[in-house]
Amino acid sequence: DGGITQSPKYLFRKEGQNVTLSCEQNLNHDAMYWYRQDPGQGLRLIYYSQIVNDFQKGDIAEGYSVSREKKESFPLTVTSAQKNPTAFYLCASSSRQGGQPQHFGDGTRLSIL
Amino acid sequence: AQTVTQSQPEMSVQEAETVTLSCTYDTSESDYYLFWYKQPPSRQMILVIRQEAYKQQNATENRFSVNFQKAAKSFSLKISDSQLGDAAMYFCAYRPHGNTGKLIFGQGTTLQVKP
Repeated sequence: DGGITQSPKYLFRKEGQNVTLSCEQNLNHDAMYWYRQDPGQGLRLIYYSQIVNDFQKGDIAEGYSVSREKKESFPLTVTSAQKNPTAFYLCASSSRQGGQPQHFGDGTRLSIL
Repeated sequence: AQTVTQSQPEMSVQEAETVTLSCTYDTSESDYYLFWYKQPPSRQMILVIRQEAYKQQNATENRFSVNFQKAAKSFSLKISDSQLGDAAMYFCAYRPHGNTGKLIFGQGTTLQVKP
């Protein structure tokens, strides 16, 4: 079955450390997205990519970086510049540019050690 | 700036009954899209229903329907014949028209379904 795979499910970061969250999709979707979810709040867009080798900042891109070297992969790096990284991170995809997320992964929960 | 507000942090409904979740939004755009997403305890987000602002007819998907009031900027979700599997957090979301890929979410409403 097609879908989105996020790994790891749980991740711990030490102070000053960069960590990378993986997102892979086998849906042949053009667009991919990263969202952050804090307790009691809705999702906020970090970055999105509508085609390979192109991506745009969302509302809360500071302290994060992404790459889109392959259509099926959209990894998110949480850098040491992100001072409050503890959150639930969701990756999503859609079949066409300018659309809205149609499929979501199961998420990665990131915590600070 | 566009905003989405869900004023009900928690709602409960008896199994087989009907419940309505509220959502209001603020925008100066005339063309946009509205959505309801469901997030069950598994945390995976599921698209429930979608409404284009230019369409006057309210969207319906099986037991789920919306009441879209464009002038009032209101977009409520009605769940009929509620089932235990409907228990989840529900998010209202707004997307501006055009090639942005950007969704703005409300804070969410947790729905409890009582047997």
